[in-house]
Amino acid sequence: GENVEQHPSTLSVQEGDSAVIKCTYSDSASNYFPWYKQELGKRPQLIIDIRSNVGEKKDQRIAVTLNKTAKHFSLHITETQPEDSAVYFCAARQNYGGSQGNLIFGKGTKLSVKP
Amino acid sequence: DSGVTQTPKHLITATGQRVTLRCSPRSGDLSVYWYQQSLDQGLQFLIQYYNGEERAKGNILERFSAQQFPDLHSELNLSSLELGDSALYFCASSAQQGYGGYTFGSGTRLTVV
Repeated sequence: GENVEQHPSTLSVQEGDSAVIKCTYSDSASNYFPWYKQELGKRPQLIIDIRSNVGEKKDQRIAVTLNKTAKHFSLHITETQPEDSAVYFCAARQNYGGSQGNLIFGKGTKLSVKP
Repeated sequence: DSGVTQTPKHLITATGQRVTLRCSPRSGDLSVYWYQQSLDQGLQFLIQYYNGEERAKGNILERFSAQQFPDLHSELNLSSLELGDSALYFCASSAQQGYGGYTFGSGTRLTVV
């Protein structure tokens, strides 16, 4: 089955700096890769996702890159702000001819943005 | 509001007791997933239902069970509760076809005392 590794487990940056979180997956059949942000005590929320036929996707200060050959994908946050502080989870999912498999989550990265 | 409704929001109960957590998926979503999140832990997948049928099982204890009803709402039953079962329990739903992530509910915080 799929296995998703996420690094680092904690990340501390100064406000205005960039943050990068990396994930690797094991199953080459995985073709959908979402990222979730979870603030303390709240539900995980989808912030960006990418399909396997796309190498990069950007949404304002957030971008995700995918390297299918190496089986890794990364979340990039530029110009970080204190409100970016949260736990971020990556995930991978197989898609069986249009029918979705389960999302397999990484263990999370706790991002702290210091003012 | 994500469209996924979980009740109750908080639950405090004693060891050995049994509780039921309820989830109503987003309109049109046929799949429901249950996750357990302990303090400072990741999202532990428990079980998935699709249109009333069990689809996948994760690290779900034998003391735990779930089901999805014809109206697509789901219930997670936790019995013989132990202190270690204290956690945030999330329900998520998704459409089964095509691409798309999960939409999570706000969770039920269970405290076993």
